[in-house]
Amino acid sequence: EDKVVQSPLSLVVHEGDTVTLNCSYEVTNFRSLLWYKQEKKAPTFLFMLTSSGIEKKSGRLSSILDKKELFSILNITATQTGDSAVYLCAVAGHAGNMLTFGGGTRLMVKP
Amino acid sequence: GAVVSQHPSWVICKSGTSVKIECRSLDFQATTMFWYRQFPKQSLMLMATSNEGSKATYEQGVEKDKFLINHASLTLSTLTVTSAHPEDSSFYICSASGQGRYGYTFGSGTRLTVV
Repeated sequence: EDKVVQSPLSLVVHEGDTVTLNCSYEVTNFRSLLWYKQEKKAPTFLFMLTSSGIEKKSGRLSSILDKKELFSILNITATQTGDSAVYLCAVAGHAGNMLTFGGGTRLMVKP
Repeated sequence: GAVVSQHPSWVICKSGTSVKIECRSLDFQATTMFWYRQFPKQSLMLMATSNEGSKATYEQGVEKDKFLINHASLTLSTLTVTSAHPEDSSFYICSASGQGRYGYTFGSGTRLTVV
């Protein structure tokens, strides 16, 4: 059974801080790892990672995958209150394109 | 990018009634649609996978007679919660894959409250 574990469960920081969110996985026939941001509604897509060691970047957010150690990190620099959300990591494995989600990391950024 | 539309956004129904949720792929043909459920402060859990024109595959612990999934066309899948009870209150989200789109974009979700 595919498994995705995220840490920490929750995090409280102040604006301007840098945060690193972790995602480890065990999956049969790994295809890709995805990061999402979820506020009050459906998750919004951030990154899809398929290759080890290649950083994906979008503004203050970046992510990288290590397929040997089976983990990924999501970095957010110069955090803002608008970054407050639940960040979800998901993995696509053997069963087609269905996703297995981790439990999420709840990030709160205080002014 | 791929657009997936879900309707309604929220619904309140009485216990014992049925509720239908629609998921549409707007700009591609979705051969497969995925239905997820999310309880408060929990992550998304896959309920079922439906392929166009065939029966849905349900995950362990999901009652197929209670959560009826129909995927009769390449752009529409529906999830019907039959004889809804308060414990079915949840956030239901769909995604779709096909034509090179991998099902990684979600619909806007439906918040179901059963009273």
